[in-house]
Amino acid sequence: EAQVTQNPRYLITVTGKKLTVTCSQNMNHEYMSWYRQDPGLGLRQIYYSMNVEVTDKGDVPEGYKVSRKEKRNFPLILESPSPNQTSLYFCASSLTASYNSPLHFGNGTRLTVT
Amino acid sequence: TQLLEQSPQFLSIQEGENLTVYCNSSSVFSSLQWYRQEPGEGPVLLVTVVTGGEVKKLKRLTFQFGDARKDSSLHITAAQPGDTGLYLCADEDTGGFKTIFGAGTRLFVKA
Repeated sequence: EAQVTQNPRYLITVTGKKLTVTCSQNMNHEYMSWYRQDPGLGLRQIYYSMNVEVTDKGDVPEGYKVSRKEKRNFPLILESPSPNQTSLYFCASSLTASYNSPLHFGNGTRLTVT
Repeated sequence: TQLLEQSPQFLSIQEGENLTVYCNSSSVFSSLQWYRQEPGEGPVLLVTVVTGGEVKKLKRLTFQFGDARKDSSLHITAAQPGDTGLYLCADEDTGGFKTIFGAGTRLFVKA
């Protein structure tokens, strides 16, 4: 089944404790992206990747890192999480970065930083 | 920076009623997309519209794109509880390789 898989689904952590949220897609998509979703603010892009070893900042990149060493994986790293990073995170992928190529989303990771 | 404004923010209706939700952009859309997000899941694409004035139908859902390509509406006929969810409009940012989303309309259809 074609899908984007995120792990974990739920995560509670404390301020400053490094964490990684994994994202994997099995559709051979070139484009991958991370979003955070907050009430009243919609989905805001954190980072995106056009292909392997090619990543760039989105609208809210501060406090996050990403890497794209393999085409299928695009992990999101929080080196020193803070409470303002409490949010619902979504990974998405598409064949290419084009309106003809719709985004496929994972089921989300709900992160709480205390 | 393009801003997408959706209205209403929240809508609660009875099964069988009709409804319309709206999406307005601060600038011309490159290509308008509508997504639906059900509780506990990620958004799923419903439709993409590109041409001003375009109308697309998906069963009981009718999507209309404004002639000036700065606004869109989604009309649902005879809403059902399965239509419950967050409806998001989105656009491709011509300045970069990213999709911009509105905050969404949260729809609740009561049986």
